[in-house]
Amino acid sequence: EIVMTQSPATLSVSPGERATLSCRTSQSISSNLAWYQQKPGQAPRLLIYGASTRATDVPARFSGSGSGTEFTLTISSLQSEDFAVYYCQQYKTWPPAVTFGPGTKVDIK
Amino acid sequence: EVQLIESGGGLVQPGGSLRLSCAASGFTFSRFAMYWVRQAPGKGLEYVSAIGSNEYNIYYANSVKGRFTISRDNSKNTLFLQMGSLRPEDMAVYYCARDVYSSGWLDYWGQGTLVTVSS
Repeated sequence: EIVMTQSPATLSVSPGERATLSCRTSQSISSNLAWYQQKPGQAPRLLIYGASTRATDVPARFSGSGSGTEFTLTISSLQSEDFAVYYCQQYKTWPPAVTFGPGTKVDIK
Repeated sequence: EVQLIESGGGLVQPGGSLRLSCAASGFTFSRFAMYWVRQAPGKGLEYVSAIGSNEYNIYYANSVKGRFTISRDNSKNTLFLQMGSLRPEDMAVYYCARDVYSSGWLDYWGQGTLVTVSS
């Protein structure tokens, strides 16, 4: 089983600042990683797949990088609507299963 | 516009059963693998089950294997999750989601339906 960790658990950032979120996996998953954004009371929204490909209509301020076991989601200049919880997800082991990380909450500093 | 609308959640006693539905529209439902993902109150996302477009490829998380059954009716554009032997730890919002390339990443999600397991 692939174990996923995300750091930090909470990231306090001022609007306009850069945010860097980390996701690590216990074994190599190549580029089989996605990132999702979830706001309170809402469903998750796909941001990134293939570790670095932005999903449809995702603003360019969101970028993903990494491969193997270490991945990063960068938000270049935080907007008010970006304060949310961000989850990474590996799908190297699909099928039969996928695994989500525990999440990083980005809140207002 | 792609829409996924879950229903069927509610309060059920431990050991009870519940059937969730997910009505899909805005895309050719029969061409896509579909998932159920859940989120316990205040917790993160947990994969539950998935079914291929052809209904024959079916997968479950170990935590629900033998208790939950996923199915789909492509003629009605609907995904189902039959849940049995429910436990307090099954209490969560259950989301259905679409896997666009049967690759494991999920491009559209429903708004979820809450399942409460309590006596």
